[in-house]
Amino acid sequence: DTEVTQTPKHLVMGMTNKKSLKCEQHMGHRAMYWYKQKAKKPPELMFVYSYEKLSINESVPSRFSPECPNSSLLNLHLHALQPEDSALYLCASSHSGTGGYQPQHFGDGTRLSIL
Amino acid sequence: QKEVEQDPGPLSVPEGAIVSLNCTYSNSAFQYFMWYRQYSRKGPELLMYTYSSGNKEDGRFTAQVDKSSKYISLFIRDSQPSDSATYLCAMSGIGGFKTIFGAGTRLFVKA
Repeated sequence: DTEVTQTPKHLVMGMTNKKSLKCEQHMGHRAMYWYKQKAKKPPELMFVYSYEKLSINESVPSRFSPECPNSSLLNLHLHALQPEDSALYLCASSHSGTGGYQPQHFGDGTRLSIL
Repeated sequence: QKEVEQDPGPLSVPEGAIVSLNCTYSNSAFQYFMWYRQYSRKGPELLMYTYSSGNKEDGRFTAQVDKSSKYISLFIRDSQPSDSATYLCAMSGIGGFKTIFGAGTRLFVKA
């Protein structure tokens, strides 16, 4: 079991639906990340939150909307997705990027399928 | 040229073999080097984490970093079928959030 918990594990949605992915960590980490991973490819960074503020947005389409309600929670709101958005969405956390680097710890992801 | 190069394999070895996984990189600013293991339908699991050059050992796993050659390695001794997974190298510079991943090497250990 990982210390980063993601729900739901699987999600099937139509292109007009609105849904949210959730991520929770209780390691006291202050940086949280969303990644997208396609089959047989490495994770691609989407967003980074540091101290609950959006720090990095890797030019992700606006149909993906991140939210960090507090230091333990990270959400990814989905709306009007396209079939090519079908992928494994991974959440990760790390202590903090300031003053040095700390490795990221990943959840097991949400496998998203767009019909 | 990609910042991080990793042979995607697949690499197939018999049980008990020593496995050598490698990555090369081009950015001399990288200071932190990680190896992640990813099983099918799971997230990446941090295996090894090293700062700058040198070796680090943890059980059957040894990570090596050669900054002069921009080359990192992960050795797995006495490989087991449970080691069958994709191994991702990853690296980062100082003070940033971005981690650059290699393509991942698929490893199969046959019983």
